[in-house]
Amino acid sequence: QVQLQQWGAGLVTPSETLSLTCAVHGASLSEYYWTWVRQPPGKGLEWIGEINHTGSASYNPSLKSRVTISVDTSKNQFSLKLTSVTAADTAVYYCARTGAGAQWLVLMGWGQGTLVTVSS
Amino acid sequence: DVQMTQSPSTLSASVGDSVTITCRASQSISYWLAWFQQKPGKAPKLLIYKASILESGVPSRFSGNGSGTEFTLTISSLQPDDFATYYCQQYNSYSRAFGQGTKVEIK
Repeated sequence: QVQLQQWGAGLVTPSETLSLTCAVHGASLSEYYWTWVRQPPGKGLEWIGEINHTGSASYNPSLKSRVTISVDTSKNQFSLKLTSVTAADTAVYYCARTGAGAQWLVLMGWGQGTLVTVSS
Repeated sequence: DVQMTQSPSTLSASVGDSVTITCRASQSISYWLAWFQQKPGKAPKLLIYKASILESGVPSRFSGNGSGTEFTLTISSLQPDDFATYYCQQYNSYSRAFGQGTKVEIK
């Protein structure tokens, strides 16, 4: 059973950098792709980006200039950084894993979610 | 970027009803589409992938269909546990866009 445990600052000041980390338990980073998704309060889901164990990442074009996703294979963790945040970045942020084989790129499992509020 | 459009935004139905949600892609995504169910305060749950393959453990009253640009999710006999919000997501290209969601509520 693959479990994802995420954490990070719940309150970020406008123009600063949002940082979240997701620890993977029960699987190696090399087995799947690892993803971040966000959901503003009362709104829909937005895919932020994904990464594999080699550090090869892809991002949502709408966020690409501000997003960095990275992996730390020694700790079996991956992280999200979003720079120059505004109130529009207030959301619940989820880490997630994709599947393998026929389920490649399918979001199979999710972290518990972290509400990040951007406010001064 | 591929855009995903779901309809309707809200659907009112009764227990036992059969309901269908439609998801349209702005360009062909072949069958690279997944459906998720989300309840308030919870992470989404995978129901269907590759347009029509039921995820393990998901009740057979859920079914998916379609290819190219038009897809449907059908719940054949609504159960109390099915009242939730449903999202489609394409994974054919980057943006990996989600639809805006369909809330299935009790009539």
